[in-house]
Amino acid sequence: AQKVTQAQTEISVVEKEDVTLDCVYETRDTTYYLFWYKQPPSGELVFLIRRNSFDEQNEISGRYSWNFQKSTSSFNFTITASQVVDSAVYFCALSEADSGTYKYIFGTGTRLKVLA
Amino acid sequence: SAVISQKPSRDICQRGTSLTIQCQVDSQVTMMFWYRQQPGQSLTLIATANQGSEATYESGFVIDKFPISRPNLTFSTLTVSNMSPEDSSIYLCSVACWGWDEQYFGPGTRLTVT
Repeated sequence: AQKVTQAQTEISVVEKEDVTLDCVYETRDTTYYLFWYKQPPSGELVFLIRRNSFDEQNEISGRYSWNFQKSTSSFNFTITASQVVDSAVYFCALSEADSGTYKYIFGTGTRLKVLA
Repeated sequence: SAVISQKPSRDICQRGTSLTIQCQVDSQVTMMFWYRQQPGQSLTLIATANQGSEATYESGFVIDKFPISRPNLTFSTLTVSNMSPEDSSIYLCSVACWGWDEQYFGPGTRLTVT
């Protein structure tokens, strides 16, 4: 069955430190999509990235980078030089395409606290 | 991306009553979804609402309790019926232009049932 595991419940770092948020997924589909969302204290979910199962290229966007490894079923998210504004809950999600439903399975989230 | 609004933003309701939550999008979208997020928890999909078809409910959610309407490509409603304190949660709608697109989320409706 499909599943997304975010084993880190909460992480605290000091500003300017690098931090990696882990995401491990399970699926039997050959075509699927992975996502990261940020939920700041305001509550609104902010889309960060989408990656399809056929594209294992790592991606960098400013201080954010993502490492997708099918061999380990992982899609990890790294924030470089963290800032206080990065404090939020981060969710990883999986969407399976073979079934045609495209519904998201969310992980339980990782709460990141960046201390000044 | 799409701009999504939800009404009401929050409400406090009595046990046994019903509340209808509205979700409005600023552009036409194929797929709309309704989620529930209990405090400090992850998101759980309630149902998928595609225009022109009946909503598809996830395990544990039934139409009698959570009736959904999707009259056009920019609007949907979710009703929480015969509420109990266990229904206290944040209800979010999300949209996607196509199934494989990223979903964009509304600001949520914070519901408290007393």
